Amino acid sequence: DIVMTQTPLSLSVTPGQAASISCKPSQSLLYSDGKTYFYWYLQKPGQPPQLLIYEVSNRFSGVPDRFRGSGSGTDFTLEISRVEAEDVGVYYCMQTTQLPWTFGQGTRVDLK
Amino acid sequence: EMRLLQSGGGLVQPGGSLRLSCTASGFTFRNFAMSWVRQAPGKGLEWLSVISGNGGSTHYADSVKGRFTISRDNSKNTLYLQMDSLRAEDTAFYYCARSPDPDNSGGWFDPWGQGTLVTVSS
Repeated sequence: DIVMTQTPLSLSVTPGQAASISCKPSQSLLYSDGKTYFYWYLQKPGQPPQLLIYEVSNRFSGVPDRFRGSGSGTDFTLEISRVEAEDVGVYYCMQTTQLPWTFGQGTRVDLK
Repeated sequence: EMRLLQSGGGLVQPGGSLRLSCTASGFTFRNFAMSWVRQAPGKGLEWLSVISGNGGSTHYADSVKGRFTISRDNSKNTLYLQMDSLRAEDTAFYYCARSPDPDNSGGWFDPWGQGTLVTVSS
């Protein structure tokens, strides 16, 4: 199984400041079709997860441009340029390159 | 609006069975693969199973293989998860989620159901 390791596991951010979350898979997520099946989700308190970024760097519909995904192979990053109150929650990375599909442990983001 | 409405959670004794349902609306259900994902209280997300749009292909996580069965009825726009031989460690919120394609080739999950709590306890 591909193990997805997120760091840090928690992050306390001043509103308006930047935040960065890392996700390192135990093996490359580049598939034979040339795509990288890597995603970022945000789970707000009491809600199901919501898709933020698909295939490494593509913002999903309605996701603000302060969210940016980057990376390749075994090293991926989610950056939030200016954290807002609505960004509080737990962020998860996920891969569907190889079965079983796996998630990172989650990174809890709150406000200072 | 695309929606997934879940039902069927509750309290069950160890060794018992339960069936979860997930009814879709707002999109052509048969055109999309569907998955189940769970989350133990206060813990992270665990993918459990996926079924292709026509129901002909399924995959499972090792943690539930042989005990859980995913299925779908495209005439009712409904996804199911039959859970047998339940254990205390199966206690979790269970979510259904849609993939972007009809096959099981991967892809993102959107939308998600609202989640339903399954508690396995005597």
